[in-house]
Amino acid sequence: TQLLEQSPQFLSIQEGENLTVYCNSSSVFSSLQWYRQEPGEGPVLLVTVVTGGEVKKLKRLTFQFGDARKDSSLHITAAQPGDTGLYLCAGARSGNTPLVFGKGTRLSVIA
Amino acid sequence: NAGVTQTPKFQVLKTGQSMTLQCAQDMNHEYMSWYRQDPGMGLRLIHYSVGAGITDQGEVPNGYNVSRSTTEDFPLRLLSAAPSQTSVYFCASREGAYSYNEQFFGPGTRLTVL
Repeated sequence: TQLLEQSPQFLSIQEGENLTVYCNSSSVFSSLQWYRQEPGEGPVLLVTVVTGGEVKKLKRLTFQFGDARKDSSLHITAAQPGDTGLYLCAGARSGNTPLVFGKGTRLSVIA
Repeated sequence: NAGVTQTPKFQVLKTGQSMTLQCAQDMNHEYMSWYRQDPGMGLRLIHYSVGAGITDQGEVPNGYNVSRSTTEDFPLRLLSAAPSQTSVYFCASREGAYSYNEQFFGPGTRLTVL
């Protein structure tokens, strides 16, 4: 059973377009993280959200944690080719439990 | 700081062979973990450790052993490799056991079992 469902699985867009990727669960998480992974490298943390309803911005990226702490979204404004990569969400059911990862959304931004 | 280092970067094994994937971190992190990444499967936790001398199983521990004799090192052993263990393996570390702390990943080891 996949605790974290990410959608869409693949996304190919033109440079300058906006996009949103989703991370959903039927379970409550104490925290959620978003990572980006480029080919041949390990994932790198983008953001951590811990409070229901929390919104965090990182330049053109906006992250939101659902009010019930069961879902999260990542919105990218005016996508650039440098945004290309695999976006992974990861969550923990409680403060000191291991992270579980979603299967990821593979984003391709075409110039 | 080198961060999290993994060796080797690539490895090819025959079925039944054994080997150890090395992982080291120089950030004095207590928590370390091993994941495998397969196409379309995301990252799945194999084993983790909350400190030297303490290890625990993750989601997919069968066929793998770990030990944690020092804070810095967390090797992953494959006792008898199987084709199903063909994957990319990532080691990660974070400060403390709290899941909201940033987890740092190594560059990965790409393993092929023939």
